[in-house]
Amino acid sequence: DGGITQSPKYLFRKEGQNVTLSCEQNLNHDAMYWYRQDPGQGLRLIYYSQIVNDFQKGDIAEGYSVSREKKESFPLTVTSAQKNPTAFYLCASSKGISATNEKLFFGSGTQLSVL
Amino acid sequence: AQSVSQHNHHVILSEAASLELGCNYSYGGTVNLFWYVQYPGQHLQLLLKYFSGDPLVKGIKGFEAEFIKSKFSFNLRKPSVQWSDTAEYFCAVNANSGNTPLVFGKGTRLSVIA
Repeated sequence: DGGITQSPKYLFRKEGQNVTLSCEQNLNHDAMYWYRQDPGQGLRLIYYSQIVNDFQKGDIAEGYSVSREKKESFPLTVTSAQKNPTAFYLCASSKGISATNEKLFFGSGTQLSVL
Repeated sequence: AQSVSQHNHHVILSEAASLELGCNYSYGGTVNLFWYVQYPGQHLQLLLKYFSGDPLVKGIKGFEAEFIKSKFSFNLRKPSVQWSDTAEYFCAVNANSGNTPLVFGKGTRLSVIA
């Protein structure tokens, strides 16, 4: 069953703690993305990756880091520098980032809350 | 850079009413336009998209959208909504040239009441 798997579904962070959100896809997609969804704010792009070992900052990259060591995996670390991390985080993938391949497939999301 | 405006934050309609959700984008060049939908408890999924050609595009579940270049708009329509259309709807855009990821609007929550 192909798709995108995000884990955990819920995550709690303590002050000063780094946490890592997992995103795995078995769609053989080249491009992967992390979006942050806040009520009334829509989806805002954190980071994206077009290919293994390469990634670019999105609109709100500060306080986050990513890696893309494998095609199927694109973990997101929320660092202690991110002062307002409480949000719903969505991972997505697409065949590529060019126009005709821009249909995104989304995971089910991770809700991150600060204790 | 591209940006997207969705005019309505929350729309409440009765079943069988007609729907039109506004979407305007800001970008000087050629764009690709999308509507995504997020049903309660489900993944975001593509509703319809416009790349080129006929500006009136039809998507799943009876939805359609019209690209009006002169107005920088891509409004979503459905003649008669059903309770099952209750969801959040996101308009998105990216530049037709180059490799740029999608930019999403803030979303419109649609509640359909019986």
